[in-house]
Amino acid sequence: QKEVEQDPGPLSVPEGAIVSLNCTYSNSAFQYFMWYRQYSRKGPELLMYTYSSGNKEDGRFTAQVDKSSKYISLFIRDSQPSDSATYLCAMSARDGSSNTGKLIFGQGTTLQVKP
Amino acid sequence: NAGVTQTPKFQVLKTGQSMTLQCAQDMNHNSMYWYRQDPGMGLRLIYYSASEGTTDKGEVPNGYNVSRLNKREFSLRLESAAPSQTSVYFCASRGTVISNQPQHFGDGTRLSIL
Repeated sequence: QKEVEQDPGPLSVPEGAIVSLNCTYSNSAFQYFMWYRQYSRKGPELLMYTYSSGNKEDGRFTAQVDKSSKYISLFIRDSQPSDSATYLCAMSARDGSSNTGKLIFGQGTTLQVKP
Repeated sequence: NAGVTQTPKFQVLKTGQSMTLQCAQDMNHNSMYWYRQDPGMGLRLIYYSASEGTTDKGEVPNGYNVSRLNKREFSLRLESAAPSQTSVYFCASRGTVISNQPQHFGDGTRLSIL
């Protein structure tokens, strides 16, 4: 079993839909949770960054972390064709005093928003 | 405002050839990382350098070596390329060792080994 599981999709939605992307994880030591967006032939770019449990909102994007269920989500409201990309969840644990920041990634979910 | 720059962007090698992938960041970051991305596998950490002068193995280090040349530059070397190393390679950097800042990525090197 992988440490981080993410449904690879693809997920296809009409423009304006609410999109829900999810990851589950097994390591209870994870404290830092990120969502990256990756366009075709480009590097991942940071979209959302949260620490521990709770919600964080940034414009049309909301990230949720439920540590008790080991489950994180990214919601996209009023989705646009420009949101079509691969979304990667990533997480890390504090490595004692060294804090190397090593990330464990999910497989990525490919999203297509149709006009 | 370049961020993380990787060279080359594309490369084709023959089995057994050697190659060095270059990465440089201009954000004065302490930590740097090399990942590979394969279909259905997400990104997997090959090597990382938590700070200048240190390097450590990640999840999939076999067949690779790294050099942290200075604070800005972190290179990845394939000594004897194998078809299993065909992948997209990403370099990333992160701020200070103490803080919990996220990683910033370059646009990748697409490597094909025949």
